Amino acid sequence: NAGVMQNPRHLVRRRGQEARLRCSPMKGHSHVYWYRQLPEEGLKFMVYLQKENIIDESGMPKERFSAEFPKEGPSILRIQQVVRGDSAAYFCASSPPLRLVNEQFFGPGTRLTVL
Amino acid sequence: GENVEQHPSTLSVQEGDSAVIKCTYSDSASNYFPWYKQELGKRPQLIIDIRSNVGEKKDQRIAVTLNKTAKHFSLHITETQPEDSAVYFCAAVSSNNNDMRFGAGTRLTVKP
Repeated sequence: NAGVMQNPRHLVRRRGQEARLRCSPMKGHSHVYWYRQLPEEGLKFMVYLQKENIIDESGMPKERFSAEFPKEGPSILRIQQVVRGDSAAYFCASSPPLRLVNEQFFGPGTRLTVL
Repeated sequence: GENVEQHPSTLSVQEGDSAVIKCTYSDSASNYFPWYKQELGKRPQLIIDIRSNVGEKKDQRIAVTLNKTAKHFSLHITETQPEDSAVYFCAAVSSNNNDMRFGAGTRLTVKP
C-alpha cells in the first residue's frame, strides 16, 4: 500500500506564475488535508477536503489560493500569481473515512520556491 | 477555533537524560492528540497519540500524558539518544470538525 504521494517534490516559480501541487491520498482514504510550513516554523492548517467537497477552508488565504479534490484523480492545491512569501513546504495528509477521529498520514511535501 | 501552545521551543539534553515537551489546547471538544517527529527536510511522522478517554500511553521510551481538566498534554522521552534529535510537534483534533491544529514545535537536540 503506497503512502501519500505528492508531486512535484520541488517546484520553482517566478513571481506572478501559477503553482499547482498534487496530492494522491493513501488507498482507501477519502479525506485530504493541506498544510503549509514556512522555513523554521510549524505546520499551519490550510484546508480539509473530501471527494468533491471542501469541508473546512478556514486556514486558506482568501485570495490566490484554491483547492479541490475531484471524484477522480489527485487533490490539487493551486496558487495563482505567486509571491515570494508563498515559498514554503506544502504537505498534504490523508485519513480514512471517519470512525472516531483518525490519524493523518503525511506525504513527503512539495517545496515551493518563488524567485 | 482550537489554539495549541507548545513549550519549550528549543530543548537541549545530554544523551541518556529525559526530555519533556508540554502542550496546552483551548477547545474542549478536542479528543485526539497526536505527536509528530520531523527530521530536517522530511515529512512529519506520527510517533505516538492519545485519545481523550485515557490519561497516559507508553510505547518503549516514549510516553504521553493527558489532563483533560487542565487541557494539557505532554510528551516524555526517556533515555534519549542522538537520533531523537528532531523537531517535535504536538497537535489536537476537534471532534466537531476533524481539523488538526499543531503547536509551534520543539527543536530537541540530544548531545552525545
